[in-house]
Amino acid sequence: ETGVTQSPTHLIKTRGQQVTLRCSSQSGHNTVSWYQQALGQGPQFIFQYYREEENGRGNFPPRFSGLQFPNYSSELNVNALELDDSALYLCASSIGTNQETQYFGPGTRLLVL
Amino acid sequence: RKEVEQDPGPFNVPEGATVAFNCTYSNSASQSFFWYRQDCRKEPKLLMSVYSSGNEDGRFTAQLNRASQYISLLIRDSKLSDSATYLCVVRSWQGGGNKLTFGTGTQLKVEL
Repeated sequence: ETGVTQSPTHLIKTRGQQVTLRCSSQSGHNTVSWYQQALGQGPQFIFQYYREEENGRGNFPPRFSGLQFPNYSSELNVNALELDDSALYLCASSIGTNQETQYFGPGTRLLVL
Repeated sequence: RKEVEQDPGPFNVPEGATVAFNCTYSNSASQSFFWYRQDCRKEPKLLMSVYSSGNEDGRFTAQLNRASQYISLLIRDSKLSDSATYLCVVRSWQGGGNKLTFGTGTQLKVEL
């Protein structure tokens, strides 16, 4: 519906492993933001990428990193997974950095055992 | 204190009722305000932006009080399809970029 897709839809990892989550934005959307949503909580801002550079970051440790590519796709990488990293990871794309209108993807559900 | 605070609910209301949700935010430098709707196990979707003058979209009315740092959402003539979690969202400049801060959400259940 929103034109934003994420993969995979579900993922199970063990503590200490690394994971890469992917997002494909709407064509022309040069900004992508990533969020972590724990059960029963609202989404928490991880970081934003604008024209392939990080443009703002929330209170997440450096083991959360990202990349944005010229083809409107992006990645969220998490190293040294911890149990508390289990959550729904959402990406949202927009035009420009004001985030007035963001389009969310369906999310990736990550479970860390 | 959380940056954005909402009553988590749930609010259980009969069809046709009027229901109001409140939200407070702590960052006085916040620039923009929104209500998002999130259905169970789905992604959030923008419901409406919130302006100081107040704005209305059909059965939905949003209000912003900058002095009190308070945002509200009023839903009139509730429908079963309004059942969802409503997220209060605030945009501010932080860490070199724009940041959206979400509340924990208020759950609404509209019943027959």
